[in-house]
Amino acid sequence: QQQVKQSPQSLIVQKGGISIINCAYENTAFDYFPWYQQFPGKGPALLIAIRPDVSEKKEGRFTISFNKSAKQFSLHIMDSQPGDSATYFCAASIGGATNKLIFGTGTLLAVQP
Amino acid sequence: DVKVTQSSRYLVKRTGEKVFLECVQDMDHENMFWYRQDPGLGLRLIYFSYDVKMKEKGDIPEGYSVSREKKERFSLILESASTNQTSMYLCASSLGQNFYEQYFGPGTRLTVT
Repeated sequence: QQQVKQSPQSLIVQKGGISIINCAYENTAFDYFPWYQQFPGKGPALLIAIRPDVSEKKEGRFTISFNKSAKQFSLHIMDSQPGDSATYFCAASIGGATNKLIFGTGTLLAVQP
Repeated sequence: DVKVTQSSRYLVKRTGEKVFLECVQDMDHENMFWYRQDPGLGLRLIYFSYDVKMKEKGDIPEGYSVSREKKERFSLILESASTNQTSMYLCASSLGQNFYEQYFGPGTRLTVT
């Protein structure tokens, strides 16, 4: 119930292409859906986040698409660059008394020049 | 910028040793978290704290304890280290009710032999 399922585990994209990472959840109590980006040797950093009452959010080349009825959300990276090569984690936040973040298993993205 | 620092980047300990991992944040954040990161499993929450001297169990607290005597410092303790605790340990902090925007330290790679 509290899991967030993420796919694919790894992804190779050519420079300039679109990278797409998908996540699915079951618990309708989740109230915020952030994406984190982690470079080698660094801790994860918040990239972009969306509330469930919004279907899409765009920040630069990064877009979150949210499908509440299907309980799915995805990260799209447009015009992917080698500098985007990193591990990406989707997550879901539960507020209230529980107050924690549930992370997906991560996607290792490699953008080839 | 928020800065979260962890006492060691790499640590090698023997089975049965008591291990202390220290985390300090400099932005007066109320919430602090300890995660472990393992390939294919993502980030799993060990313990978190929303106030000084307060602690809450996360998803995998067995074999760990924590201490938060000051607002800026959150320690993770392995009472008797075991080989299955070999992992990357990440500390994070967040402000008030904002549990989805967490700031991570660089991590401590712990090897238990």
